[in-house]
Parts: sequence; structure tokens; C-alpha cells
Amino acid sequence: DAGVTQSPTHLIKTRGQQVTLRCSPKSGHDTVSWYQQALGQGPQFIFQYYEEEERQRGNFPDRFSGHQFPNYSSELNVNALLLGDSALYLCASSQAPLQETQYFGPGTRLLVL
Amino acid sequence: GESVGLHLPTLSVQEGDNSIINCAYSNSASDYFIWYKQESGKGPQFIIDIRSNMDKRQGQRVTVLLNKTVKHLSLQIAATQPGDSAVYFCAETTNQGGKLIFGQGTELSVKP
Repeated sequence: DAGVTQSPTHLIKTRGQQVTLRCSPKSGHDTVSWYQQALGQGPQFIFQYYEEEERQRGNFPDRFSGHQFPNYSSELNVNALLLGDSALYLCASSQAPLQETQYFGPGTRLLVL
Repeated sequence: GESVGLHLPTLSVQEGDNSIINCAYSNSASDYFIWYKQESGKGPQFIIDIRSNMDKRQGQRVTVLLNKTVKHLSLQIAATQPGDSAVYFCAETTNQGGKLIFGQGTELSVKP
């Protein structure tokens, strides 16, 4: 049973650039949530996708956008990167409509220089 | 702002001892709580969850206690092992499966 997978594992960008991160949910899951985790902090909710639509959004600017595909996989896009966007980006999946526990992937480590 | 707080940022225990990690949550409307374990370089791993209609739930070597009166959550790990060394996060939500609010984490260090 495949768990949540994310790509790439690591990424280095410069300020002002754009980045796309990818996530494949756990087998049988159809809901994907994205979190940002700064060093030494707990994860912060960015948004959640279900049925290819953004269902919930946290306190992140519009530079953060996402997409969910018919196969339930998802992308997180960040435009106009800032140094402060350096973090571990985590994807979590769950199964609607019961919306049970969210299971996390290994994350993508983004460094903005 | 929204937050789930932890009383102790670090906890050091001897192998074989029991560990207790505490968490204070701020939203009295939260109805679902999860403990996650995060090892270095990895994503959070689900340990155990509890709904607000319960006050105790047990898993394999782990027990979660919920005290809604004082908005307190704890994770007890029995016979702590070196492999239990990690950062532990509690998380809360008012919509099971929706936005999770995490605390800052407690680092558990197990001495052999």
C-alpha cells in the first residue's frame, strides 16, 4: 500500500522565482492538504483540495496556489519566492467523506537564496 | 493567533522509563485531536488520535488523555525506547480531516 509521496525531495531557488511541488496521496485517499513547516516549528496549514477544488485555506498570500488532478494528485505553486518561503513543505492525504486522519508525506525541503 | 501549545519543549528520559508529553490547546470548539511523531528529515507520522467525546484512548505502548475542562492533552509512552526519540506534535481540528492546528513540538530524547 503506497503511502503519500512527494517530489522533489530538495529544491534550491532564488528570490523572485517560481516553484512547483508535487504530491501523490495515499492509495484510496482523495483529499490533499498542504502545510508549511519552518525550522523548529509545527506545520502551518496552507490549503486543502477535494474534488479538484480548494476547500479550505489558511493564512497564506495569493502567491501560494494549488491544483488537484482527476487522479487526486496535487501541486503546490509558489510565485515570487521570498527568503522567508524557505521551509519544509508537507503534503497530507485523507479520505472524504469520513475525513479521517491525515497522513503525511516526507516533505519537500525548499531553500530560497 | 491560533495555536496549540506545549508545556515542555524538550524531554529527556532513560530507556525503559515511561514518558509523558503534554499539550494545551486553545480552541474549546476543537473536537478531534492527533499526536504525530516526526523524526529528523521525515514527515509527521500518525501515532494516535482521540475524539472529544472520549477522555482516554490506548494504542500499542501509547495512551492519549484528553481533559476538556482545562483544554489539556497528553501522550504517554510506556517503556520508552531509543527509537521513540523524535519531536512530538499535538494537533487539533474542529473539522475532522480539515485544517489541523499544530503546536510547536516537544523533542523527546531517550538515553540508553
